[in-house]
Amino acid sequence: EVQLVESGGDLVQPGGSLRLSCAAAGFTFSGSPMTWVRQAPGRGLEWVSTINENGANTYYADSVKGRFTIYRDNSKNMVHLQMNGLRAEDTALYFCTKTGGRVTILTHWGQGAPVTVSS
Amino acid sequence: QLVLTQPPSVSAAPGQKVTISCSGGNSNIGKNYVSWYQQFPGTVPKLLIYDNYNRPSGIPDRFSGSKSGTSATLGITGLQTGDEADYYCVTWDSSLNAIVFGIGTKVTVL
Repeated sequence: EVQLVESGGDLVQPGGSLRLSCAAAGFTFSGSPMTWVRQAPGRGLEWVSTINENGANTYYADSVKGRFTIYRDNSKNMVHLQMNGLRAEDTALYFCTKTGGRVTILTHWGQGAPVTVSS
Repeated sequence: QLVLTQPPSVSAAPGQKVTISCSGGNSNIGKNYVSWYQQFPGTVPKLLIYDNYNRPSGIPDRFSGSKSGTSATLGITGLQTGDEADYYCVTWDSSLNAIVFGIGTKVTVL
């Protein structure tokens, strides 16, 4: 059974940093691109970042480019999202997702890690 | 990057059919596959349709997807109260090098 468990969500002040982590199990982690998707309170889903199987290729939404970094450790079946320069508009539930084939096929989702940016 | 347009809401009576449109452009829907996700309030989204019209195992055939040109459509037949949820279309945008989501459509069963 595929399991994705996020951790690291917290309350942080504007301008602060946070690292989200996602522990994966139940599938060949090194063979799957991974994606972070977020959802602000009462809003729709928003793509944040994607990393390919070996970590060599990363992609970011314009809204987080230059502030967020996605990376993975295939030896530990973990994917991380380093978030710097956090803003109030980054407040959201952050979902770790596994892709199946194309990167837009998000077959499995974690329960989400809540991030609140507020002073 | 909200480049996909969906109606904010659609509604119909139980047993009827609803369709949800997703309009994009040549750099996204026009050249890439579309997926659809279903999200009930307070829950994790679920993959409903992938590669324009394919259903993952366990998704009933009441749900269907199609694509034509730069638009995609999700159809739900035999509408049930349990179908009340938000539905999102998703695709890759080759110009933005980004995954793009529609704003989501809320389905209400009257």
